[in-house]
Formats: sequence, structure tokens, C-alpha cells
Amino acid sequence: DAGVIQSPRHEVTEMGQEVTLRCKPISGHNSLFWYRQTMMRGLELLIYFNNNVPIDDSGMPEDRFSAKMPNASFSTLKIQPSEPRDSAVYFCASRDHRNIYGYTFGSGTRLTVV
Amino acid sequence: AQSVTQLGSHVSVSEGALVLLRCNYSSSVPPYLFWYVQYPNQGLQLLLKYTSAATLVKGINGFEAEFKKSETSFHLTKPSAHMSDAAEYFCAVGDAGNNRKLIWGLGTSLAVNP
Repeated sequence: DAGVIQSPRHEVTEMGQEVTLRCKPISGHNSLFWYRQTMMRGLELLIYFNNNVPIDDSGMPEDRFSAKMPNASFSTLKIQPSEPRDSAVYFCASRDHRNIYGYTFGSGTRLTVV
Repeated sequence: AQSVTQLGSHVSVSEGALVLLRCNYSSSVPPYLFWYVQYPNQGLQLLLKYTSAATLVKGINGFEAEFKKSETSFHLTKPSAHMSDAAEYFCAVGDAGNNRKLIWGLGTSLAVNP
């Protein structure tokens, strides 16, 4: 298994541009989580999905952020328009319902908004 | 509500010395507790977990942690630090609700000096 795959690994964009981060969870995992990591706030849960359905998006900072999971093997996190304060590392993690605390993390996308 | 406190955002030890990373939790129900490690530019990897079985839990890379209910602690230890142990370490408690989310500490950065 290739694990959780995130793309791109690094993204540098200008303020105001749209940014799309992508995640492919482990096959068979039915939960997917998007996290943001910054020095100031540590790991923050943005949103998570069960069986492709968003369950809790209370961590999404504002309307500029949106996430979708059109099928069990793909999810996107979109920021539009991006701002410098969005600069962070964004992680995707997936989980198998049979191992409720068995999270597998991707390697993250380092986003820099200039 | 559940919470996690990691005491000390930065810990520095000499190679071969004992590693002790502190984690205290707050939970109204028997907790599930975790330690994750994040190496530079990588995602988080599970080191070990406590799920109400043995109170002394052994993980990968020679790490272990002891669950102490009376102290509400789950400190991570390793008898002899290696240079390769330099990383960020996160303690987390499993959300007792149906969603089984992880609630994270802010992390402890471990430096190992030659």
C-alpha cells in the first residue's frame, strides 16, 4: 500500500489565487481528515469525512476554505482566495472503521502564500 | 471535554541519555492515548497507543509510555537517546464521542546532542 498520498508536496502562490490541495486515502479506509499545522496553533482539525460525507467542518477557518470528497479515493481542500496567513502545512489522514484510532497520515502539503 | 497538555515545547538531551517527554490529559471517561512522531518534512507516524490494556505500552524505536490514571499522565520515555530520535512528538487523546477524533497536544520538539 502506498499510504496516504498528498499533492502537491509544496505550493507557492500569490495572495488572492485559488489553491487546491489533493489527497488520496488508503484504499478501504472510510474516514478522511484534513489538518492544518502551524507553529502558533499546532495541529488543527479542519474537517473530516465518513464514507465521503462531511461530518464535522467546525474547524474550517472561514468561507474561503472548502473541502470535497467526491468518491472514496479522492478528496480536495480548496482555498479561494488565498491569504498569507493560510501559509502552513496541510495534512490529510485516513482511517479504517475497524481500527477507529488507526490514523495514517500523508506527508503533507507545505503551502506558502506570498 | 477532553484535552492534552504537553509540558515543554522543546527538550534537549545528549546522545545516550534518557528521553522523557511529558503528557497529561483530561478526560471524563477512560481515555485512549497516543504518541505520534513527526520527522522533518514528513507526516505523523504512530509511535504507540494505550487502549485500556496493559498500562505500560511499548512502541517502535525503543520508546515506551506508561499510563498513570492517578496522575492523568502518559509520559513517553526511551532509555538511551539516538541522534535519529530528533523529531517532533505529539501526544493525543481519543475523543470519547462517536466521532472518535484525536485531540492533540501542541507537540514537543526533541533535540539530541552528540
